[in-house]
Formats: sequence, structure tokens, C-alpha cells
Amino acid sequence: DGGITQSPKYLFRKEGQNVTLSCEQNLNHDAMYWYRQDPGQGLRLIYYSQIVNDFQKGDIAEGYSVSREKKESFPLTVTSAQKNPTAFYLCASIRRGPPSGANVLTFGAGSRLTVL
Amino acid sequence: AQSVAQPEDQVNVAEGNPLTVKCTYSVSGNPYLFWYVQYPNRGLQFLLKYITGDNLVKGSYGFEAEFNKSQTSFHLKKPSALVSDSALYFCAVLPGGYQKVTFGTGTKLQVIP
Repeated sequence: DGGITQSPKYLFRKEGQNVTLSCEQNLNHDAMYWYRQDPGQGLRLIYYSQIVNDFQKGDIAEGYSVSREKKESFPLTVTSAQKNPTAFYLCASIRRGPPSGANVLTFGAGSRLTVL
Repeated sequence: AQSVAQPEDQVNVAEGNPLTVKCTYSVSGNPYLFWYVQYPNRGLQFLLKYITGDNLVKGSYGFEAEFNKSQTSFHLKKPSALVSDSALYFCAVLPGGYQKVTFGTGTKLQVIP
């Protein structure tokens, strides 16, 4: 079955360490997104990419980095510069063009990062 | 800039009663609008979307939403609530130019037995 796989599901990090969250999709989707979710704040966009080797900052990109070397993969690195990284991180993807038919923004199950 | 507002942090409704979760949006051009549901520690699941055409959209699990262009609203509705509908609901907008998707802050729906 097609879908989005995020790993790891839970991650603990010490302060000052960089961590990378994996996001892989086999839906042949063009665009991929990273969101951060905090209680009471909904989803905030970190980065998004519409094609390979290209990505744009979202609303809260500081302290994060991404790469898009393959269409299927969009890893997110949470750097030590991110002041408050403890959160639930969600990856999503969608095929290019109007979201008609079955083409909707599809989410992974999420990764919960806790900084100790 | 595009934005989505969900004015209620929480909505409580008795089981069997109709429910409404409100959403208003601001975007230039014709938007694509979505509703998603999230259960604890899970990703978001798609419920329904408005692209064009009929203003009343039907989706999964008996949910529907009404698009009102003049009021820039896209409220989620269900005629008879179930306890299992208790979850966090998100409204989202994607501008017609196909850039970034913006989500509301979410509304927690609590269905009381």
C-alpha cells in the first residue's frame, strides 16, 4: 500500500545535538511538507518542497534544515540552534496540480521529539 | 497572506445531537479547502475537501461541510454525533496557485455519552 513513512516514531535528544527525522513516500507525490505541532498552536509549516533539489522556508524555519535529493525523500534536521525543539513533527505530501479526486495532502504518522 | 481561523478551541456536544465545527479563511483567488481529523499521537486523516461546484461537500464517516464564499467559511457538520467522533479537527486552505497549505489551530470535539 502507498503511504508516507516517518521514522523514528519517538526520539530523545540531549541539548546541543542535531537530529534527523526521516520522511519517505511511495505515492509518487511531487510536493512534500514538514509541519510542527505544539499543543494549542495547531500545525505550523517548517519547510516545503515542490520539486527535487528545491525547497522553501515555511513560517518557522529557523533552527531547521532539509534536503530533497530524491522525489521520495524529504528528511528534516533539527539543529542545536532550534531553541525549543520538543514537539510532534508531521510530514505530508501531495501530487502536483489541483487536489481533485484522490489527490489530497497525505500525512505520515508523525515523529515525537523530546529534548532532555 | 493566507490564513485559517477556527474560533472555538473546543466544542462539546451530546451523542446523537448535530455538531458544527467552524472554520473561516482568508486567501486570494479561489481556494481549495479541507477538513482533517487527528486522534491522539497520530497523523492527520483526510475527511473531505471543496474544490469547486456544489457548496455542500460530503465526506468520510458521515461528515459534511458547507462552503460559503460570501462569508468565507467552510464549517464542518454532522447530523448525529458519535462518541467515536471525539478528536481534534483541523481546517486547511490551499490557494489555487498551489503553494503552501495553511492549517487552522484545531478544534477539539468532545462528544458526551
